[in-house]
Amino acid sequence: AQKITQTQPGMFVQEKEAVTLDCTYDTSDPSYGLFWYKQPSSGEMIFLIYQGSYDQQNATEGRYSLNFQKARKSANLVISASQLGDSAMYFCAMRDSTTGGFKTIFGAGTRLFVKA
Amino acid sequence: NAGVTQTPKFQVLKTGQSMTLQCAQDMNHEYMSWYRQDPGMGLRLIHYSVGAGITDQGEVPNGYNVSRSTTEDFPLRLLSAAPSQTSVYFCASSYSYRGGTGTDTQYFGPGTRLTVL
Repeated sequence: AQKITQTQPGMFVQEKEAVTLDCTYDTSDPSYGLFWYKQPSSGEMIFLIYQGSYDQQNATEGRYSLNFQKARKSANLVISASQLGDSAMYFCAMRDSTTGGFKTIFGAGTRLFVKA
Repeated sequence: NAGVTQTPKFQVLKTGQSMTLQCAQDMNHEYMSWYRQDPGMGLRLIHYSVGAGITDQGEVPNGYNVSRSTTEDFPLRLLSAAPSQTSVYFCASSYSYRGGTGTDTQYFGPGTRLTVL
């Protein structure tokens, strides 16, 4: 069955330091996509980064990178050089084809606090 | 490109009233969906559509109806509002819906905050 697990309800990081947000997933489908979204206090869902199951390289988008370890079924988000504006809720999500890709499942989220 | 737009941003209803939340996208996306987000929780899928004229239920469809007469629009109807439907509603769309294709990323609208008294 599809499952996404984010085990860190809250994380603190010092400004300018790097932080890793954990995400593990479970699927029996060889074809799937993994996503990270940011939800600031204003409430919108902002797409950050995507990793496909067949991608050979870890995805990177600016200060965001995805540490994809397929055998361990983990897709951790790394934010380098944290900024105060990174304080937000972060959701890991997955979409596979077992249900025809009709459903993207989301983790419970990790709230990140960046300290000045 | 406006992306995914939702109206209204805020709405207060009384129990038993009906209303329609509007969602539109201008990216020619095949797949559209509605989610609800309750406090402290992730997103739960209400209904989705894989193209004009095709809709189906998600995890929490009771009390909601959808239709998709055009590629661009995917309205969500609350038939008889209940306090349990107080939530933030997000509409999202993606070009495709097959996982791992690279075009299956969903983009979200700004959300509608609904309160039912």
